[in-house]
Amino acid sequence: EDQVTQSPEALRLQEGESSSLNCSYTVSGLRGLFWYRQDPGKGPEFLFTLYSAGEEKEKERLKATLTKKESFLHITAPKPEDSATYLCAVWYGGATNKLIFGTGTLLAVQP
Amino acid sequence: ETGVTQTPRHLVMGMTNKKSLKCEQHLGHNAMYWYKQSAKKPLELMFVYSLEERVENNSVPSRFSPECPNSSHLFLHLHTLQPEDSALYLCASSPGTGNPYEQYFGPGTRLTVT
Repeated sequence: EDQVTQSPEALRLQEGESSSLNCSYTVSGLRGLFWYRQDPGKGPEFLFTLYSAGEEKEKERLKATLTKKESFLHITAPKPEDSATYLCAVWYGGATNKLIFGTGTLLAVQP
Repeated sequence: ETGVTQTPRHLVMGMTNKKSLKCEQHLGHNAMYWYKQSAKKPLELMFVYSLEERVENNSVPSRFSPECPNSSHLFLHLHTLQPEDSALYLCASSPGTGNPYEQYFGPGTRLTVT
């Protein structure tokens, strides 16, 4: 069965304490993997697209990496404003586009 | 501000009511999407429109009826909903070329069905 699993469900960090979020997937024909950030009461905000294993993307304190089975979102020296739910989604399929989202990781960064 | 607006932001409706959700994008994009977001569940893609034509309908019940009169506007018409339809309904848009899922989301409409 095609699925996307994010872990942990929730993560509490102290300001400056680096960590990683995981997105594992089991789909056929990966075409892209996306990371979004969602703040309470708002829609998801696009962060990154990764297209192939070995690819990395960075934005401020965030770095996303991709392997053939999973993606990591590394957060370096997080700040309280990084607190949000981080969503991953997988785009896959051959002739037809398919998209599955994970359930997200709720990150809380305490000062 | 993402350039995608949704109205209303909150909606409470009875099961026999008819209402519509509106989405407008100011980004010059060609594709628009409706999603449903329920607590503890993944985002569910409901409908996809590309250049005003529906290209995807993911087995959504007929009590949800989308309309895309032009590439900037998208509606979701609701009728005889069920309590389990209570959720956050998100609209998104994308350029429509290349990666179809590099999307920009609106803030959502929080729908409660009583």
